[in-house]
Amino acid sequence: EDQVTQSPEALRLQEGESSSLNCSYTVSGLRGLFWYRQDPGKGPEFLFTLYSAGEEKEKERLKATLTKKESFLHITAPKPEDSATYLCAVQASGGATNKLIFGTGTLLAVQP
Amino acid sequence: GAGVSQSPRYKVTKRGQDVALRCDPISGHVSLYWYRQALGQGPEFLTYFNYEAQQDKSGLPNDRFSAERPEGSISTLTIQRTEQRDSAMYRCASSSPGQPQHFGDGTRLSIL
Repeated sequence: EDQVTQSPEALRLQEGESSSLNCSYTVSGLRGLFWYRQDPGKGPEFLFTLYSAGEEKEKERLKATLTKKESFLHITAPKPEDSATYLCAVQASGGATNKLIFGTGTLLAVQP
Repeated sequence: GAGVSQSPRYKVTKRGQDVALRCDPISGHVSLYWYRQALGQGPEFLTYFNYEAQQDKSGLPNDRFSAERPEGSISTLTIQRTEQRDSAMYRCASSSPGQPQHFGDGTRLSIL
């Protein structure tokens, strides 16, 4: 069964304290791995798509990496405005479905 | 509008009533998805459409749930004979081929 596990469930950082969020996945065949940011009361906001092991994507203080079993979201020198829930999702290859399978998210709090 | 629009934002209804939730996707997006999100969890897939064709309804929990997209644009998710366990945030997303899914801010459904 396709599955996504995120860790830690919650993370509290001081402003400027870099860290990484983990997303482990099992999927029959990976079409894509997605990172989203979700603010309270809002829908998930797209950040990155990764397609193959070794791929990396960057946006401001965020960098996403992918291996055959997991993805990391590295946050460099975070600011309070980076506080949000970060969701990881996979899309399986094969079949007609484009559905995303999400993890439960990591709640990040960055304190000034 | 520029993003995915869902209405109503909040819906409170009594157990046993039918409810209809509406999603207006981003203009031109071929694919439309429905998800359900419990508090502290990632979105859980319900169903999706390409144009007006329902491609995958494997996530609909039972036959009280149905969805349609008759003209390939706006979609309605209908829940008949609602039960308290149906209370959740219902999210809609849309995408163009090969592009990531973009989410709306959801409809919060509460069943009394």
